[in-house]
Amino acid sequence: RKEVEQDPGPFNVPEGATVAFNCTYSNSASQSFFWYRQDCRKEPKLLMSVYSSGNEDGRFTAQLNRASQYISLLIRDSKLSDSATYLCVVNHDYKLSFGAGTTVTVRA
Amino acid sequence: DTAVSQTPKYLVTQMGNDKSIKCEQNLGHDTMYWYKQDSKKFLKIMFSYNNKELIINETVPNRFSPKSPDKAHLNLHINSLELGDSAVYFCASSSGLAVTDTQYFGPGTRLTVL
Repeated sequence: RKEVEQDPGPFNVPEGATVAFNCTYSNSASQSFFWYRQDCRKEPKLLMSVYSSGNEDGRFTAQLNRASQYISLLIRDSKLSDSATYLCVVNHDYKLSFGAGTTVTVRA
Repeated sequence: DTAVSQTPKYLVTQMGNDKSIKCEQNLGHDTMYWYKQDSKKFLKIMFSYNNKELIINETVPNRFSPKSPDKAHLNLHINSLELGDSAVYFCASSSGLAVTDTQYFGPGTRLTVL
């Protein structure tokens, strides 16, 4: 079983729509959680950390469910510039484990 | 200006050759990493160094040898390149080993082995 599993998508949504997706992780002892964003042929960049209580950063909301071992990301009022691959990332024992990414395409 | 830089950006070489990829960070970070992103897009940790000491060494063939001459540099040398080594290699750095420390990635080196 992969350490981090994500629905690869793609999610094709119109501008202004809300899109949400999850990932699941296998190691219950994982210590911290993140969403990274990776544009085509570019490096991953931190989008936001994910906290147990859930957190928002502008149009982005992340949730963590430790009991069910899943993490979610919701994007409100999608912009064309949100088109990217979103990587779910889990930290355990100094190592980041990455999901393969969920591709989101926002169309005009 | 670039926080984490890698050279070269593209590397095309023949099987059996030996090649190096260089990484430098100007963020004053203590910890540096090498990742491999294969054609299926999975990013996998290869090595991690903290203050020039090897912390993580995943199950990577010993043809891959990292070298950290100082905290700001972590180079990756690959001997006897194989077709399966073709991938994008990302260097990253973080301020330390705390689980909440953000990792900053370099632009990647796209290695193609023919």
